[in-house]
Amino acid sequence: NAGVTQTPKFQVLKTGQSMTLQCAQDMNHEYMSWYRQDPGMGLRLIHYSVGAGITDQGEVPNGYNVSRSTTEDFPLRLLSAAPSQTSVYFCASSYWDTGRETQYFGPGTRLLVL
Amino acid sequence: GIQVEQSPPDLILQEGANSTLRCNFSDSVNNLQWFHQNPWGQLINLFYIPSGTKQNGRLSATTVATERYSLLYISSSQTTDSGVYFCAIHSGTALIFGKGTTLSVSS
Repeated sequence: NAGVTQTPKFQVLKTGQSMTLQCAQDMNHEYMSWYRQDPGMGLRLIHYSVGAGITDQGEVPNGYNVSRSTTEDFPLRLLSAAPSQTSVYFCASSYWDTGRETQYFGPGTRLLVL
Repeated sequence: GIQVEQSPPDLILQEGANSTLRCNFSDSVNNLQWFHQNPWGQLINLFYIPSGTKQNGRLSATTVATERYSLLYISSSQTTDSGVYFCAIHSGTALIFGKGTTLSVSS
């Protein structure tokens, strides 16, 4: 299993540009989520999905869109990038087993918005 | 919403030393996780520990849910233990992370 993969690893955007951060998992997990990590902060939830066709907002959803057309993929879209979106973005997938959730994080995407 | 506070924010150790990291949370929880983020940014799940004590090698964790805290113990620290340690609490369908403890272990 490749686990959770994210592309690209690094990206530089200009203000106003759009882009999509890709996330894929091959573990057949129903639950997937996107987090952002800023210096000196823990991770904050942007959007999440509990299964194909179902998405919902997290703590910091403004400026981001998501969709979940398949179990495997959960892309994050920045429609009009702003400098405040400079961050490291992590995608995660998880499963529940005997009352316990186990989460797997991707390697992250470092985004710089100029 | 639920608040998660970690202490200390930074910790510097010599190889071989022991350490205790603390996580306080503001509300009753039914699950808590500890993560390690290595210097390359990768996040690894260490423990899922809503209550009680678990051990994995040199690492162990204890959660006292009634008193709203969890402790992560690192014994005989190694340079590979360096990185940021996060605790995270489930709130609904989200994980609420603390700001982390940055651990630096020198040889």
